Amino acid sequence: DVKVTQSSRYLVKRTGEKVFLECVQDMDHENMFWYRQDPGLGLRLIYFSYDVKMKEKGDIPEGYSVSREKKERFSLILESASTNQTSMYLCASSPHSGSGTNEQFFGPGTRLTVL
Amino acid sequence: AQKITQTQPGMFVQEKEAVTLDCTYDTSDPSYGLFWYKQPSSGEMIFLIYQGSYDQQNATEGRYSLNFQKARKSANLVISASQLGDSAMYFCAMREARSGGYNKLIFGAGTRLAVHP
Repeated sequence: DVKVTQSSRYLVKRTGEKVFLECVQDMDHENMFWYRQDPGLGLRLIYFSYDVKMKEKGDIPEGYSVSREKKERFSLILESASTNQTSMYLCASSPHSGSGTNEQFFGPGTRLTVL
Repeated sequence: AQKITQTQPGMFVQEKEAVTLDCTYDTSDPSYGLFWYKQPSSGEMIFLIYQGSYDQQNATEGRYSLNFQKARKSANLVISASQLGDSAMYFCAMREARSGGYNKLIFGAGTRLAVHP
């Protein structure tokens, strides 16, 4: 059974804290993605990675960084958490192909609250 | 610029009836793919159905079908014989071929469906 796992379902942090969100996939996928989901805005892409140590900015990268040291693991880092980063964070992975179905597989999400 | 529009923030349907969730898209890429995902209250995104821009037939997967009207740039999801378990958030998404192997998706804002007994 294919799987994307995220390190926490719920997380509460204080303003200014450094926050790490971890994502692991067991499907040997090349591509991995981090989204944030906010009501009325759908999913917005923060960063993605197409290979180990490779990363590309998505639509809303400000305030975030990422790390991909191993193929199966993709980390999202909030260097100094702010209240406007309170959101649901979703990780996804997919094969490296832009044709056919090749859907993205999602993790269960992390609901982050920054106080 | 590429864009996905879901104009129905919320919909409700009676159990066992059919429901259509609207999705329109905008792209200048002649090759693209359209996806629908379901997100139950548990939060996990579940892939439902895919339609390629060159596919001649509308996609179907069990009770889900995609009403693809290319000229209108619409890709509506039809759920037949609704069940209580269909209550969820539904997202339409698009992948353009020019995103290459990166397989990037653009998502709409979503439609929350409530199925009433």
